[in-house]
Amino acid sequence: DAGVIQSPRHEVTEMGQEVTLRCKLISGHNSLFWYRQTMMRGLELLIYFNNNVPIDDSGMPEDRFSAKMPNASFSTLKIQPSEPRDSAVYFCASSLGTGGNEQYFGPGTRLTVT
Amino acid sequence: QQQVKQSPQSLIVQKGGISIINCAYENTAFDYFPWYQQFPGKGPALLIAIRPDVSEKKEGRFTISFNKSAKQFSLHIMDSQPGDSATYFCAAMSIGAQKLVFGQGTRLTINP
Repeated sequence: DAGVIQSPRHEVTEMGQEVTLRCKLISGHNSLFWYRQTMMRGLELLIYFNNNVPIDDSGMPEDRFSAKMPNASFSTLKIQPSEPRDSAVYFCASSLGTGGNEQYFGPGTRLTVT
Repeated sequence: QQQVKQSPQSLIVQKGGISIINCAYENTAFDYFPWYQQFPGKGPALLIAIRPDVSEKKEGRFTISFNKSAKQFSLHIMDSQPGDSATYFCAAMSIGAQKLVFGQGTRLTINP
């Protein structure tokens, strides 16, 4: 049974470019979370969806960041334009239902913006 | 009030010893406290979790101790093994809010 799938695993881009990170949920899961991990700030929740609907996007740092769930099994996180301070590892996680159900994390996308 | 404070930042333990990582929280609405384990290049994975209606939960060599009045919880790893070397994150959630708040992480090294 495949876990959460993220692509690409590594992304290097120049400042000002658009970056799109992709995530495929575990089959049957209906909650999707996007996190960012840096040494300085640790693991931060950016946004989460339940049944394809964004529930809380208060962690999205600024308007340059946007996330979508075009269908029940897939999500994208877009940064436009990217900046060096966006360099981080971005994780998505999925869970079945809400509340205290286990969140399963993907392997992450390491983003470097030069 | 949303913070979860974790200590120590790094910990070195000899094989066979006990590893102890501590966390403290402020938000009394938190009612779910998981610990995640992360290996280099991987995403965090749930290790063990506790709800505040019990003071201790044990799964194999891993135990969570929970002190509701002190708003503290800790992870104990008994008989620590080199394979336990990883970064450990405590977290807290108000189940109604569905948002996990993570501690800063503890890098654990088990020396053989």
